[in-house]
Order: sequence, then structure tokens, then C-alpha cells
Amino acid sequence: GQNIDQPTEMTATEGAIVQINCTYQTSGFNGLFWYQQHAGEAPTFLSYNVLDGLEEKGRFSSFLSRSKGYSYLLLKELQMKDSASYLCAVRDEGYGGATNKLIFGTGTLLAVQP
Amino acid sequence: DVKVTQSSRYLVKRTGEKVFLECVQDMDHENMFWYRQDPGLGLRLIYFSYDVKMKEKGDIPEGYSVSREKKERFSLILESASTNQTSMYLCASSLGGEGNQPQHFGDGTRLSIL
Repeated sequence: GQNIDQPTEMTATEGAIVQINCTYQTSGFNGLFWYQQHAGEAPTFLSYNVLDGLEEKGRFSSFLSRSKGYSYLLLKELQMKDSASYLCAVRDEGYGGATNKLIFGTGTLLAVQP
Repeated sequence: DVKVTQSSRYLVKRTGEKVFLECVQDMDHENMFWYRQDPGLGLRLIYFSYDVKMKEKGDIPEGYSVSREKKERFSLILESASTNQTSMYLCASSLGGEGNQPQHFGDGTRLSIL
């Protein structure tokens, strides 16, 4: 079966660093995406990993270990506006990569406190 | 910037009605997707399309159908609405092919079936 696990909620302090973990068991793998979703808004793309290692993009970094079925999103210098849900999604390989079908986790709701 | 536009932000319909949700994208994307998002369940794929007039079932297609007569437009149809179809519906689009093609989401339609 297809399964993606993330913590349901996390709390962190403004200015700190937070790591949001994601583990997956899927029949195929062709990349992992992280999205940010503010309440009542559309998910927006944050990062993509297909090879093992760390991808850095400003205050946000994402790490992937394919052998462990594990990824994390690292947020540095937290700001109040980072309070949102963070969605982990695995790209399925089931259609030969032609359709970019994604399997989403249930999301992690991050609350940044002053 | 990619623009994915959903026809309504909020919609209230009655049980048994036929409901149409419309989605338009302006970036000539091959792939289009319909999801529903429910608390604790995350984003679940209803249907997707990788070309005009082509459609594929997602994970929860029962009670829904879709139409893609033009490349830029993807419609979700609730054949006979039921209360368990009350949800947030999100449309997304992406380029076809391999690689790091993220899905771009519309703002969502919050549908209530009474």
C-alpha cells in the first residue's frame, strides 16, 4: 500500500529552527515534494528532492534518504508568517512518470509562537 | 506566474443535485488534477487528466466524473450530490514529462451539501 507519515502538529518559537519529518512507503518513487499551505489558501510549492541529500533554498532546506524512505523539511530563522500546514508528497512512478501523480501525507500544522 | 482559477470559492447545494466545479489554468499544462481535502485525511486524488479528453481515476472516484474538452479546462461533476461530499475541493495543474514539475493549485472551492 501507499503510506506517508508526518507529525500532526508542531510548535516552535520565532527565530528558532524546526525540522518536520516525513516517512514514506510507496510502491514507486520518482521524487518528493514539500508544499506549504496557509489556512484557507492553496498549497504552494516549496521544494523537490529526487536524489539523496540536502537541497537548500533560502531559509528552507529539504533532505532525502531514499534507502530509509525518509525526508525532512528544515525551517530556519522562523517567522510568524511560517505558521502553516506543511505537506509532504511523493511522486508515484506508476504511469512511467508521464502524469506526475502525487501521493500526499496528511500534513503537519506548524504554529510559530512569539 | 502560473494561474489556476476555480470558478467558486464557496458553494452550497442540495442533496441529489448535479454539481459542476470548474477549473481553468493559463500555462498550457498537460496535466490537471482534482483533489478533495478533509481534516485528518489530507489531500486525496479524485481524478486526473494528462491530455485533452483523457482521464484517469484517482484514489476516490466514486460519485464523481470529470470532463476535459479543452486543454486549459478541467471540470469535476458530482452526479448526484450527497452530504458526504461536503469538502474542500482543490484543482491543480502541472507540466507533463519527467523531472521536478510541481503541481500548481487553485484557491479551492468549499462545497457544502445540505
